[in-house]
Amino acid sequence: DAKTTQPNSMESNEEEPVHLPCNHSTISGTDYIHWYRQLPSQGPEYVIHGLTSNVNNRMASLAIAEDRKSSTLILHRATLRDAAVYYCILKTSYDKVIFGPGTSLSVIP
Amino acid sequence: EAGVTQFPSHSVIEKGQTVTLRCDPISGHDNLYWYRRVMGKEIKFLLHFVKESKQDESGMPNNRFLAERTGGTYSTLKVQPAELEDSGVYFCASRVTASTNEKLFFGSGTQLSVL
Repeated sequence: DAKTTQPNSMESNEEEPVHLPCNHSTISGTDYIHWYRQLPSQGPEYVIHGLTSNVNNRMASLAIAEDRKSSTLILHRATLRDAAVYYCILKTSYDKVIFGPGTSLSVIP
Repeated sequence: EAGVTQFPSHSVIEKGQTVTLRCDPISGHDNLYWYRRVMGKEIKFLLHFVKESKQDESGMPNNRFLAERTGGTYSTLKVQPAELEDSGVYFCASRVTASTNEKLFFGSGTQLSVL
């Protein structure tokens, strides 16, 4: 399976932007980049996904490097409710979602 | 629209007993997945149903675990007999089939404690 590498933890101040990096140097042409997050005491929650182009939705933006070997999840304005573990996942069509250790994001008031 | 629901939210049982977890996916979602997280470890895939058929059960830890999805609607995950190492949070997720990269919707999980 293709692998991703994320920092174990990150901190952000409330109301500031957060850039969560993910390295996936062995990504294949058919791999989509998915991001999920898990808030405390809840199930994982889909955030965003993309293939080659940058993507935006109401929750976040996904910036994908031109060579696709890395990507960055951008939370434009962190709130206390964004404190969670964020998972960067590579997934081809029909593949199951495989979770790694993720990045634990702390938001400081 | 109701999300993925799991029952019970918590279960405390003794070693050797049997426990059955239930998952009701979002209506119309043919794909149903079971995952679990044991203490201090990553979330691990257990198995995947497409309607009532097991598409992938490569993550099932051993034959003490039995998953069913009769009629292709709700699913149950039975652990019999339960062991201490089965403690953890069991998550269910569902997805439509129309787009293979469609997002997964997760339930809030069942916290299983085996004493």
